[in-house]
Amino acid sequence: DQQVKQNSPSLSVQEGRISILNCDYTNSMFDYFLWYKKYPAEGPTFLISISSIKDKNEDGRFTVFLNKSAKHLSLHIVPSQPGDSAVYFCAARSGGSNYKLTFGKGTLLTVNP
Amino acid sequence: ETGVTQSPTHLIKTRGQQVTLRCSSQSGHNTVSWYQQALGQGPQFIFQYYREEENGRGNFPPRFSGLQFPNYSSELNVNALELDDSALYLCASSSGGRNTDTQYFGPGTRLTVL
Repeated sequence: DQQVKQNSPSLSVQEGRISILNCDYTNSMFDYFLWYKKYPAEGPTFLISISSIKDKNEDGRFTVFLNKSAKHLSLHIVPSQPGDSAVYFCAARSGGSNYKLTFGKGTLLTVNP
Repeated sequence: ETGVTQSPTHLIKTRGQQVTLRCSSQSGHNTVSWYQQALGQGPQFIFQYYREEENGRGNFPPRFSGLQFPNYSSELNVNALELDDSALYLCASSSGGRNTDTQYFGPGTRLTVL
């Protein structure tokens, strides 16, 4: 049972346009969400996070939106750059004693020059 | 500030063997989490160590075990290796103690079991 789902395995956008990566979750106990970016042969790099008490968090070109009622979050990258090409993972965490992250399968973003 | 480091980078073992993977946490972090990432999948939580004690475990069998040392570095041990253990093993460190603490990942160890 996959509790965090990224239904688009890949996404291709033009440089300068907006990239929108989507993530759905099923576990109502999740209260903190994160996005990581991963290049080949490297570990995931933290991008941005959002607490369940918020509906938006912005950091430079990256904005994460959370819709709790729909159990959906999205990452917007504006403007997209070729260096943004990577696999993006959505991760979620529930309150509790071990703070483990539950990851989606990832979305490969390709930004074309 | 030193980031999370892992060793070795790559490892090849045969079925039935045992393996030890190592992780040095980021300076100032006292919590280490281990994840297994199979090909085409997202990372899956194995377990977490907080101040040298296991602080939670995912759905992995007991042949996956770990340690955390007083300097907060950590080891992941896997006994009786199986072919399905072939994966990228990721270590992540964090400050611990708060749900909002971000986990920072190392580059991973690529384990191949033949």
